[in-house]
Amino acid sequence: QSVLTQPPSVSAAPGQKVTISCSGSSSNIGNNFVSWYQHLPGTAPKLLIYDNTQRPSGIPDRFSGSQSGTSATLDISGLQTGDEADYYCGTWDTSLSAGVFGTGTTVTVL
Amino acid sequence: QVQLVQSGAEVKKPGSSLKVSCTASGGTFYTSAINWVRQAPGQGLEWMGSIIPVFGTTYYAKKFQGRVTIIADSSTNTAYMELSSLRSDDMAVYYCATGRTFTGHCTSTNCYGASHYMGVWGKGTTVTVSS
Repeated sequence: QSVLTQPPSVSAAPGQKVTISCSGSSSNIGNNFVSWYQHLPGTAPKLLIYDNTQRPSGIPDRFSGSQSGTSATLDISGLQTGDEADYYCGTWDTSLSAGVFGTGTTVTVL
Repeated sequence: QVQLVQSGAEVKKPGSSLKVSCTASGGTFYTSAINWVRQAPGQGLEWMGSIIPVFGTTYYAKKFQGRVTIIADSSTNTAYMELSSLRSDDMAVYYCATGRTFTGHCTSTNCYGASHYMGVWGKGTTVTVSS
């Protein structure tokens, strides 16, 4: 049972925007930075966002992250069929002294 | 850019131990954090633990404490994850990943500002546990 909660699935048509939420607590998101990962079946996860809002080199600006209080959000705009994947938030939990992932969200492009 | 090469697929019997290696090529992970993450069939990503070789610091998820050991050999740029007392629910794809683990600034009452993320991942090692 993860300490970070995400919706199981979100969907939208190509070109539209989806928003994925990640809800935690003061021991994790509330006081620490959040990262986001894209995971396609059979491949290694890919880092999309780190430190709440930063994109690694090569990640398009269609992907953006934000954080407020004990929640974080990943927005994917201009949705493409290649964006169909599972998405996970992650952070450090100070109380656990451990890394934690969210429950994961499946994005479907209609 | 660093690439991570993991050891091959394993078939293990219940009760036995598993040791997976992760070798960095094209660079070093000595000053980075090396994490181990697994994904069981139909499940999400699960962080198991990490090591920061330059400090010799290890962190383990509570679920695996006592069963998992993570070490790093800086002379060969290789990290290892050993998991003992294997059970059927340890069947999973095991990933190593490097990145940053900064556990934050701490006052007498609070810690904040931890930064923990994984930017380079290995391709994964499939582990089957079966009698």
